[in-house]
Amino acid sequence: DTGVSQNPRHKITKRGQNVTFRCDPISEHNRLYWYRQTLGQGPEFLTYFQNEAQLEKSRLLSDRFSAERPKGSFSTLEIQRTEQGDSAMYLCASSPTSGNIQYFGAGTRLSVL
Amino acid sequence: DQQVKQNSPSLSVQEGRISILNCDYTNSMFDYFLWYKKYPAEGPTFLISISSIKDKNEDGRFTVFLNKSAKHLSLHIVPSQPGDSAVYFCAASAHGVKTSYDKVIFGPGTSLSVIP
Repeated sequence: DTGVSQNPRHKITKRGQNVTFRCDPISEHNRLYWYRQTLGQGPEFLTYFQNEAQLEKSRLLSDRFSAERPKGSFSTLEIQRTEQGDSAMYLCASSPTSGNIQYFGAGTRLSVL
Repeated sequence: DQQVKQNSPSLSVQEGRISILNCDYTNSMFDYFLWYKKYPAEGPTFLISISSIKDKNEDGRFTVFLNKSAKHLSLHIVPSQPGDSAVYFCAASAHGVKTSYDKVIFGPGTSLSVIP
């Protein structure tokens, strides 16, 4: 399977704990995106990487959130001191340099208790 | 401020009939529009797109129509099949002035049920 892979698929944590999600994009794609999706809403943009450079961050990405893509391949999204409002589906997508189509992973569902 | 709107949260259609999913947008800078389909427990998958220089794009059973003056687009599925039952997201993008990529804004989605 050469699609976008996200791990873990589900994460249950207690409020205040830190969590980290991983995304492996399609290998030849140099653009990588993180989105958050809550019930009844479409994906909301969080941040974007071109290779290893993080080029844009949404206002939704508070100081507790950090994303990295150290070698321009896989990416991690860390949430520190989780809050119940962080409960959502976190989606990763990748795309080639040219073109508007993004390819999504299955997402990581986070539940903060 | 929701820039991409899908005012019908759900839609039920009989198998074999036409499904019409609607989408409205507010930002006149959007120049590329996409539809994604999402099954439960899967990520959204690209379905069809249209550039603002066109008013229609067709791919098999799927056709997207764009009315720029009304800031409205629609997705037609003919004939509808039970396997089309999914959530459909309308999305729009505008070529960024400051960035090198086209930021995509998604609507809230419409859940389509095709009844056998």
